[in-house]
Amino acid sequence: RKEVEQDPGPFNVPEGATVAFNCTYSNSASQSFFWYRQDCRKEPKLLMSVYSSGNEDGRFTAQLNRASQYISLLIRDSKLSDSATYLCVVSFLSGGYQKVTFGTGTKLQVIP
Amino acid sequence: DTGVSQDPRHKITKRGQNVTFRCDPISEHNRLYWYRQTLGQGPEFLTYFQNEAQLEKSRLLSDRFSAERPKGSFSTLEIQRTEQGDSAMYLCASSFLPDGSLAKNIQYFGAGTRLSVL
Repeated sequence: RKEVEQDPGPFNVPEGATVAFNCTYSNSASQSFFWYRQDCRKEPKLLMSVYSSGNEDGRFTAQLNRASQYISLLIRDSKLSDSATYLCVVSFLSGGYQKVTFGTGTKLQVIP
Repeated sequence: DTGVSQDPRHKITKRGQNVTFRCDPISEHNRLYWYRQTLGQGPEFLTYFQNEAQLEKSRLLSDRFSAERPKGSFSTLEIQRTEQGDSAMYLCASSFLPDGSLAKNIQYFGAGTRLSVL
Protein backbone atom coordinates (compact mmCIF):
# COMPACT_ATOMS: atom_id res chain seq x y z
CA ARG A 1 0.00 0.00 0.00
CA LYS A 2 1.33 3.45 -0.89
CA GLU A 3 2.11 5.76 2.01
CA VAL A 4 -0.08 8.48 0.55
CA GLU A 5 -2.81 7.79 -2.00
CA GLN A 6 -4.84 10.18 -4.10
CA ASP A 7 -7.30 9.77 -6.94
CA PRO A 8 -5.31 11.07 -9.93
CA GLY A 9 -8.44 12.40 -11.66
CA PRO A 10 -8.77 14.39 -13.78
CA PHE A 11 -11.73 16.08 -12.20
CA ASN A 12 -13.46 18.18 -14.85
CA VAL A 13 -15.89 20.62 -13.25
CA PRO A 14 -17.77 23.69 -14.50
CA GLU A 15 -16.99 27.14 -13.13
CA GLY A 16 -18.83 27.79 -9.90
CA ALA A 17 -19.02 24.13 -8.92
CA THR A 18 -17.92 22.68 -5.61
CA VAL A 19 -15.33 19.91 -5.79
CA ALA A 20 -13.76 17.73 -3.11
CA PHE A 21 -10.58 15.66 -3.10
CA ASN A 22 -9.63 12.98 -0.63
CA CYS A 23 -6.24 11.65 0.31
CA THR A 24 -5.54 8.58 2.45
CA TYR A 25 -2.34 7.88 4.35
CA SER A 26 -1.04 4.62 5.77
CA ASN A 27 1.12 5.71 8.71
CA SER A 28 -1.04 6.27 11.78
CA ALA A 29 1.84 8.17 13.40
CA SER A 30 1.64 10.91 10.77
CA GLN A 31 1.67 14.30 12.39
CA SER A 32 1.49 17.07 9.81
CA PHE A 33 -0.63 17.38 6.74
CA PHE A 34 -0.62 19.83 3.86
CA TRP A 35 -2.16 20.53 0.50
CA TYR A 36 0.17 21.86 -2.19
CA ARG A 37 -0.86 23.16 -5.58
CA GLN A 38 1.22 22.52 -8.70
CA ASP A 39 0.54 24.26 -11.98
CA CYS A 40 1.62 22.58 -15.21
CA ARG A 41 5.42 22.52 -15.51
CA LYS A 42 5.82 24.62 -12.35
CA GLU A 43 7.02 23.85 -8.84
CA PRO A 44 4.66 22.84 -6.02
CA LYS A 45 3.48 25.68 -3.80
CA LEU A 46 1.88 25.42 -0.38
CA LEU A 47 -1.88 25.91 -0.57
CA MET A 48 -2.70 25.28 3.06
CA SER A 49 -1.74 23.30 6.12
CA VAL A 50 -4.37 20.96 7.53
CA TYR A 51 -5.23 21.24 11.21
CA SER A 52 -6.98 18.66 13.35
CA SER A 53 -9.99 20.88 13.85
CA GLY A 54 -10.26 21.62 10.14
CA ASN A 55 -9.48 24.96 8.62
CA GLU A 56 -10.77 27.29 5.98
CA ASP A 57 -9.07 29.82 3.75
CA GLY A 58 -11.53 31.67 1.57
CA ARG A 59 -13.07 29.17 -0.83
CA PHE A 60 -10.83 26.35 0.38
CA THR A 61 -11.59 24.08 3.33
CA ALA A 62 -9.32 21.32 4.59
CA GLN A 63 -10.35 18.54 6.96
CA LEU A 64 -8.43 15.82 8.77
CA ASN A 65 -9.92 12.52 9.91
CA ARG A 66 -7.30 10.71 12.00
CA ALA A 67 -9.52 7.73 12.77
CA SER A 68 -9.97 6.92 9.10
CA GLN A 69 -6.57 8.30 8.13
CA TYR A 70 -7.61 10.67 5.42
CA ILE A 71 -7.55 14.35 4.66
CA SER A 72 -9.80 16.25 2.32
CA LEU A 73 -9.80 19.48 0.37
CA LEU A 74 -13.02 21.23 -0.60
CA ILE A 75 -13.04 23.99 -3.18
CA ARG A 76 -16.21 26.08 -3.43
CA ASP A 77 -17.21 28.30 -6.32
CA SER A 78 -14.46 26.93 -8.59
CA LYS A 79 -12.60 29.44 -10.76
CA LEU A 80 -10.77 28.79 -14.01
CA SER A 81 -7.57 29.72 -12.16
CA ASP A 82 -8.08 26.79 -9.78
CA SER A 83 -7.11 24.42 -12.61
CA ALA A 84 -3.99 22.66 -11.36
CA THR A 85 -2.78 19.47 -9.71
CA TYR A 86 -3.38 19.29 -5.97
CA LEU A 87 -0.78 17.34 -4.00
CA CYS A 88 -1.47 15.80 -0.62
CA VAL A 89 1.54 15.86 1.69
CA VAL A 90 1.98 13.92 4.92
CA SER A 91 4.86 14.02 7.37
CA PHE A 92 5.83 11.96 10.40
CA LEU A 93 8.78 11.70 12.73
CA SER A 94 11.33 9.10 11.67
CA GLY A 95 14.79 8.75 13.17
CA GLY A 96 14.46 12.07 14.94
CA TYR A 97 13.39 14.18 12.01
CA GLN A 98 10.26 14.76 9.99
CA LYS A 99 9.92 12.61 6.89
CA VAL A 100 7.72 14.10 4.18
CA THR A 101 5.80 12.06 1.60
CA PHE A 102 3.88 13.45 -1.38
CA GLY A 103 0.89 11.88 -3.03
CA THR A 104 0.77 11.54 -6.81
CA GLY A 105 -1.62 14.49 -7.06
CA THR A 106 -5.19 15.02 -8.22
CA LYS A 107 -5.65 16.99 -11.41
CA LEU A 108 -8.45 19.54 -11.51
CA GLN A 109 -9.69 21.16 -14.70
CA VAL A 110 -12.26 23.90 -14.30
CA ILE A 111 -14.27 24.37 -17.49
CA PRO A 112 -15.89 27.66 -18.59
CA ASP B 1 14.30 37.11 -5.54
CA THR B 2 14.76 35.54 -2.12
CA GLY B 3 13.14 32.18 -2.90
CA VAL B 4 14.77 28.86 -3.69
CA SER B 5 16.72 29.02 -6.93
CA GLN B 6 17.93 26.16 -9.09
CA ASP B 7 20.38 26.11 -11.93
CA PRO B 8 20.21 25.20 -14.75
CA ARG B 9 16.49 25.24 -15.52
CA HIS B 10 16.93 22.78 -18.35
CA LYS B 11 19.67 20.29 -19.16
CA ILE B 12 19.91 18.06 -22.20
CA THR B 13 22.65 15.47 -22.14
CA LYS B 14 23.70 12.31 -23.88
CA ARG B 15 23.49 8.96 -22.14
CA GLY B 16 26.65 8.23 -20.21
CA GLN B 17 27.53 11.86 -19.49
CA ASN B 18 27.75 13.35 -16.00
CA VAL B 19 25.55 16.25 -14.96
CA THR B 20 25.51 18.52 -11.92
CA PHE B 21 22.66 20.66 -10.65
CA ARG B 22 22.80 23.44 -8.12
CA CYS B 23 20.26 24.59 -5.54
CA ASP B 24 20.40 27.78 -3.50
CA PRO B 25 17.89 27.58 -0.64
CA ILE B 26 16.23 30.43 1.18
CA SER B 27 19.08 31.92 3.17
CA GLU B 28 17.97 31.23 6.75
CA HIS B 29 16.68 27.72 6.03
CA ASN B 30 18.59 24.89 7.69
CA ARG B 31 16.94 22.03 5.82
CA LEU B 32 17.34 21.21 2.14
CA TYR B 33 15.65 18.45 0.15
CA TRP B 34 16.07 16.99 -3.30
CA TYR B 35 13.13 15.37 -5.11
CA ARG B 36 12.61 13.82 -8.51
CA GLN B 37 9.32 14.17 -10.35
CA THR B 38 8.19 12.43 -13.51
CA LEU B 39 5.06 13.12 -15.52
CA GLY B 40 1.87 12.26 -13.68
CA GLN B 41 3.64 11.54 -10.40
CA GLY B 42 4.16 13.51 -7.24
CA PRO B 43 7.65 14.52 -6.13
CA GLU B 44 9.67 11.50 -4.94
CA PHE B 45 12.09 12.08 -2.09
CA LEU B 46 15.78 11.60 -2.96
CA THR B 47 17.82 13.03 -0.10
CA TYR B 48 17.77 15.52 2.75
CA PHE B 49 20.31 17.77 4.49
CA GLN B 50 20.16 19.43 7.82
CA ASN B 51 22.77 22.17 7.58
CA GLU B 52 25.75 20.41 5.97
CA ALA B 53 24.86 16.91 7.17
CA GLN B 54 23.17 14.52 4.76
CA LEU B 55 20.75 12.72 7.06
CA GLU B 56 18.81 10.47 4.72
CA LYS B 57 19.09 9.03 1.25
CA SER B 58 16.24 7.29 -0.54
CA ARG B 59 16.68 3.88 -2.10
CA LEU B 60 15.91 5.71 -5.36
CA LEU B 61 19.33 7.34 -5.05
CA SER B 62 21.60 4.83 -6.74
CA ASP B 63 25.40 4.88 -6.51
CA ARG B 64 25.45 7.11 -9.59
CA PHE B 65 23.82 9.91 -7.61
CA SER B 66 25.63 12.05 -5.10
CA ALA B 67 24.61 15.20 -3.29
CA GLU B 68 26.56 17.66 -1.22
CA ARG B 69 25.93 20.72 0.87
CA PRO B 70 29.47 21.61 1.91
CA LYS B 71 28.88 24.78 3.89
CA GLY B 72 25.29 24.28 4.83
CA SER B 73 24.16 26.76 2.23
CA PHE B 74 23.85 25.77 -1.45
CA SER B 75 23.68 22.15 -2.52
CA THR B 76 24.70 20.22 -5.61
CA LEU B 77 23.25 17.02 -7.04
CA GLU B 78 25.46 15.07 -9.41
CA ILE B 79 24.38 12.21 -11.63
CA GLN B 80 27.18 10.15 -13.14
CA ARG B 81 26.85 8.03 -16.28
CA THR B 82 23.33 9.27 -16.96
CA GLU B 83 20.70 6.88 -18.25
CA GLN B 84 17.49 7.60 -20.14
CA GLY B 85 15.53 6.65 -17.04
CA ASP B 86 17.10 9.60 -15.23
CA SER B 87 15.07 11.99 -17.39
CA ALA B 88 12.84 13.89 -14.97
CA MET B 89 12.33 17.17 -13.17
CA TYR B 90 14.70 17.52 -10.22
CA LEU B 91 13.23 19.71 -7.52
CA CYS B 92 14.97 21.29 -4.57
CA ALA B 93 13.10 22.49 -1.50
CA SER B 94 14.15 24.16 1.71
CA SER B 95 12.60 24.74 5.11
CA PHE B 96 13.46 26.02 8.54
CA LEU B 97 12.78 23.68 11.44
CA PRO B 98 14.76 23.59 14.69
CA ASP B 99 16.14 20.21 15.81
CA GLY B 100 13.48 17.99 17.32
CA SER B 101 10.75 20.48 16.59
CA LEU B 102 7.26 19.17 16.08
CA ALA B 103 6.23 22.30 14.23
CA LYS B 104 4.89 21.93 10.73
CA ASN B 105 7.69 21.45 8.23
CA ILE B 106 6.64 23.75 5.41
CA GLN B 107 8.85 23.31 2.38
CA TYR B 108 9.43 25.93 -0.29
CA PHE B 109 10.33 24.67 -3.73
CA GLY B 110 12.58 25.94 -6.46
CA ALA B 111 11.43 25.94 -10.08
CA GLY B 112 13.34 22.73 -10.74
CA THR B 113 15.87 21.48 -13.26
CA ARG B 114 14.38 19.52 -16.12
CA LEU B 115 16.81 16.82 -17.28
CA SER B 116 16.50 15.12 -20.65
CA VAL B 117 18.85 12.22 -21.35
CA LEU B 118 19.06 11.35 -25.04
